[in-house]
Amino acid sequence: NAGVTQTPKFQVLKTGQSMTLQCAQDMNHEYMSWYRQDPGMGLRLIHYSVGAGITDQGEVPNGYNVSRSTTEDFPLRLLSAAPSQTSVYFCASSGKTASGNTIYFGEGSWLTVV
Amino acid sequence: GIQVEQSPPDLILQEGANSTLRCNFSDSVNNLQWFHQNPWGQLINLFYIPSGTKQNGRLSATTVATERYSLLYISSSQTTDSGVYFCAVEARLTFGEGTQLTVNP
Repeated sequence: NAGVTQTPKFQVLKTGQSMTLQCAQDMNHEYMSWYRQDPGMGLRLIHYSVGAGITDQGEVPNGYNVSRSTTEDFPLRLLSAAPSQTSVYFCASSGKTASGNTIYFGEGSWLTVV
Repeated sequence: GIQVEQSPPDLILQEGANSTLRCNFSDSVNNLQWFHQNPWGQLINLFYIPSGTKQNGRLSATTVATERYSLLYISSSQTTDSGVYFCAVEARLTFGEGTQLTVNP
């Protein structure tokens, strides 16, 4: 049971480059989301999806695109990287369990933009 | 949007001590969760607790929805409890800034 898998784990980009962070889950969850975490802060929601073909913006969506063509995959695209996008990125998926709405996070992707 | 405040921001304990972490939120919520982020950055869901009390081993949590706060109790703390504890509210999860817990041997 892999859970939520993110790749790459570490990435260095030059300003202006584009890249895609991959996220996949094998729990058949409808809800998936992307967060960023800056030093000493909590997580902030970038984009989320409530099912295949449906995405919406979170708190800090500028500079990022997402798509959800399948239930399993939810990639995050940086269109033109900026130093302000240096952060740790977490993908998450959630679904109902006996304990309630349980959310599972990937292990994070450390991104540095120089 | 809803505001989430956690206290204390930092907490240092000796192994074996007990602690209480607090999460205040500015509006009624249908979803509240507690997470532990370990020193390697991994985020683990501890409790889904929009109201009431739950216990899991040495950890327990209580949410008083009418008074807009939640408490996380850690008893007999161990060094492996170190890390940052976050509460987050609502379906799209608005996070507090966390409590950094350090447990010394």
